Amino acid sequence: GEDVEQSLFLSVREGDSSVINCTYTDSSSTYLYWYKQEPGAGLQLLTYIFSNMDMKQDQRLTVLLNKKDKHLSLRIADTQTGDSAIYFCAEYNNNDMRFGAGTRLTVKP
Amino acid sequence: DSGVTQTPKHLITATGQRVTLRCSPRSGDLSVYWYQQSLDQGLQFLIQYYNGEERAKGNILERFSAQQFPDLHSELNLSSLELGDSALYFCASSPSQGDQPQHFGDGTRLSIL
Repeated sequence: GEDVEQSLFLSVREGDSSVINCTYTDSSSTYLYWYKQEPGAGLQLLTYIFSNMDMKQDQRLTVLLNKKDKHLSLRIADTQTGDSAIYFCAEYNNNDMRFGAGTRLTVKP
Repeated sequence: DSGVTQTPKHLITATGQRVTLRCSPRSGDLSVYWYQQSLDQGLQFLIQYYNGEERAKGNILERFSAQQFPDLHSELNLSSLELGDSALYFCASSPSQGDQPQHFGDGTRLSIL
């Protein structure tokens, strides 16, 4: 498809792990990003991965990249109520930045 | 704090009017990007400037225009406003021409009455 695709909603319990999935469009995309948007705020860069990497870990965040399937995931360990937000994946390729529609993560206490 | 500053935070105006949104990039960043976020269209890339020159164009209407000044701040001009232009407008910046992460401002919320 032509769009970066994400599930629209995810609900987890506090302390559980969250996994947000994304399918991107172009296997030659060089950078893949995860952004977080809290209500009334801009997009906050969480992490990014180069296309020649399979995995990147940054504290509670783990990014997995499957280039063959053009699949990107973001795992948040020990999810907290403060992690409730909309998470956007994005791909960058040749001066073109494409965002998914965002996944709204709700963390229940 | 991303270091990207957008003003104003909120703007309310009427159809047919013209507005200017302003963005100051992070210190040292040469590229500025403009995005529109609406409920039905999601996050749409509008236009990119690099060091004063237009670098890439996305889904920007002809009624909209932008520029980047010598001090690297940028303005997005929206004219002949329509109800459908109501949205959040974000500015982002990056050090170079786009192959590095973009950092976003908090946006300008534009409401057309």
